[in-house]
Amino acid sequence: GAVVSQHPSRVICKSGTSVKIECRSLDFQATTMFWYRQFPKQSLMLMATSNEGSKATYEQGVEKDKFLINHASLTLSTLTVTSAHPEDSSFYICSAMESYNEQFFGPGTRLTVL
Amino acid sequence: AQSVTQPDIHITVSEGASLELRCNYSYGATPYLFWYVQSPGQGLQLLLKYFSGDTLVQGIKGFEAEFKRSQSSFNLRKPSVHWSDAAEYFCAVGATGANNLFFGTGTRLTVIP
Repeated sequence: GAVVSQHPSRVICKSGTSVKIECRSLDFQATTMFWYRQFPKQSLMLMATSNEGSKATYEQGVEKDKFLINHASLTLSTLTVTSAHPEDSSFYICSAMESYNEQFFGPGTRLTVL
Repeated sequence: AQSVTQPDIHITVSEGASLELRCNYSYGATPYLFWYVQSPGQGLQLLLKYFSGDTLVQGIKGFEAEFKRSQSSFNLRKPSVHWSDAAEYFCAVGATGANNLFFGTGTRLTVIP
């Protein structure tokens, strides 16, 4: 099956710094990538949808200036959490879609902001 | 707008017993339905999906699910649970295929020996 990687798997940063998370589709070209946030013992909440070469579409309530998404190629999307604060600590999961049939999920990134 | 309800937050079953995880959805048109499994600290793996056709869908790891339009349900079943099935299970609904998935709150499955 299709493989999606995320890097890093865990990151700890100080409050006020920025953190970049990479999401790569390893063996297919992703027309669309998604970024989700998951709080402990809760469901996934879609943050934004990105298509290669165009601006991301953010869900209501998600600050686009705080969560910068870049989908530079058909295999790479990045999420940058700018000026991170402790309330941004969460599990961030990306997914990639080649066709409309299925989203393939990455293993997730645990962000802890001190 | 679509929504998904998983009424059971936590289910405990004995190894070898049968399993049914409930999922109810709300969507105006014919939904695209998915079941995913998530192990601790991991991403999601697709177990099965329903787009159209036969309402009984077979998935990986011996799971199956049945789409019942009259009940707005898409319950996940397995005849005999294995200890490795312990995980979090999410039901999801999509409006246009796998685009814009909306997830339920999940059901945590514990398997006791």
